[in-house]
Amino acid sequence: NAGVTQTPKFRILKIGQSMTLQCTQDMNHNYMYWYRQDPGMGLKLIYYSVGAGITDKGEVPNGYNVSRSTTEDFPLRLELAAPSQTSVYFCASTPGRTSGSLAYNEQFFGPGTRLTVL
Amino acid sequence: TQLLEQSPQFLSIQEGENLTVYCNSSSVFSSLQWYRQEPGEGPVLLVTVVTGGEVKKLKRLTFQFGDARKDSSLHITAAQPGDTGLYLCAAHGYNAGNMLTFGGGTRLMVKP
Repeated sequence: NAGVTQTPKFRILKIGQSMTLQCTQDMNHNYMYWYRQDPGMGLKLIYYSVGAGITDKGEVPNGYNVSRSTTEDFPLRLELAAPSQTSVYFCASTPGRTSGSLAYNEQFFGPGTRLTVL
Repeated sequence: TQLLEQSPQFLSIQEGENLTVYCNSSSVFSSLQWYRQEPGEGPVLLVTVVTGGEVKKLKRLTFQFGDARKDSSLHITAAQPGDTGLYLCAAHGYNAGNMLTFGGGTRLMVKP
């Protein structure tokens, strides 16, 4: 299993440009998440999904959109890039309610996408 | 919004020293996890604690969940350079849809 994969690894955008960060997991996990991590900080939840066709906002959703058409893929869309969106973006997945107690669920993270908006 | 505060933010120690990292909140959590993150990679789970007062050991790392399930600590004995990294605590709240709230992290550097 590849686990959680993210592309691209690095990207530089100009203000106002748009892009999609790709995330794929091959573990058949129901729950998927997008986080951003600013320098020297912890992770903040942007959006999450509990299954195909279901998405919901996290702590910092403004400026982002997501979709979940399949169990495997959870892309994150930036429509009008702003310097405040310069960050490292992590996608994560976890089995969800099918695997027993949610309290023990480990989140599996991808390697991240480093985005700079100039 | 549940807030997790970690202390210290930065820690630089010599190989062989002991250290403790703290994770505190005013909220009660159903469980708490500790992750370790190395540069250029995503966080990796170290441990999950669920029961108030629970203590778990992972080689030289000892994790404790507070009796009231509001705080946790990570103690490393005889730190080694391989322990260098960012340590993150993360908590599951009640009715949180399995979402995690992360602390700000403790960046540990262990010098040989």
